[in-house]
Amino acid sequence: AQTVTQSQPEMSVQEAETVTLSCTYDTSESDYYLFWYKQPPSRQMILVIRQEAYKQQNATENRFSVNFQKAAKSFSLKISDSQLGDAAMYFCAYRSAKRGSGSRLTFGEGTQLTVNP
Amino acid sequence: EPEVTQTPSHQVTQMGQEVILRCVPISNHLYFYWYRQILGQKVEFLVSFYNNEISEKSEIFDDQFSVERPDGSNFTLKIRSTKLEDSAMYFCASSELGPYGYTFGSGTRLTVV
Repeated sequence: AQTVTQSQPEMSVQEAETVTLSCTYDTSESDYYLFWYKQPPSRQMILVIRQEAYKQQNATENRFSVNFQKAAKSFSLKISDSQLGDAAMYFCAYRSAKRGSGSRLTFGEGTQLTVNP
Repeated sequence: EPEVTQTPSHQVTQMGQEVILRCVPISNHLYFYWYRQILGQKVEFLVSFYNNEISEKSEIFDDQFSVERPDGSNFTLKIRSTKLEDSAMYFCASSELGPYGYTFGSGTRLTVV
């Protein structure tokens, strides 16, 4: 079974600074997808960024980028120019690309990000 | 932008009662899911549904739980006899095939008293 680990329960960053959230995962599969979700106090789950494992290029979405290291099974999220609205719980998630897998998402424990003005 | 709609947003029920949580997935999505999040804990997979049947379920999804797509738009989660430990946020989600992330609903906060 796949597991996802986020070793940082809490992180903080100054507004306008850069922060990196860590995520590692364990899988025996070679084809899969990785995601970062943001959960603000409203508890809505919002997709931030996704990465296909077969792509070597790291995904980027505006101020959000990832560092995907497939051999190390590492998938960190970098938030540049942090804004107060970035404060939230961030979850890393794994999804198998195998047909018939049901496509469940396996989540990490989450990292609570605080942005200080 | 299309969204997944969940009702109610908050439900309080007595232990032993049946509850039905409702969801309207995005219309052209093919996979539907239920997840739950106990307060302060990680999000846990309950069940996935594809082509009008359960495609996968977790160990949490026991005989007390059932899902149904009664018509072309709604997707429901029923808990037959609620327990205190069922208190959680329940998220419905839907997705297309392929590498796309899910779209989650806003969740239903279930409180069992």
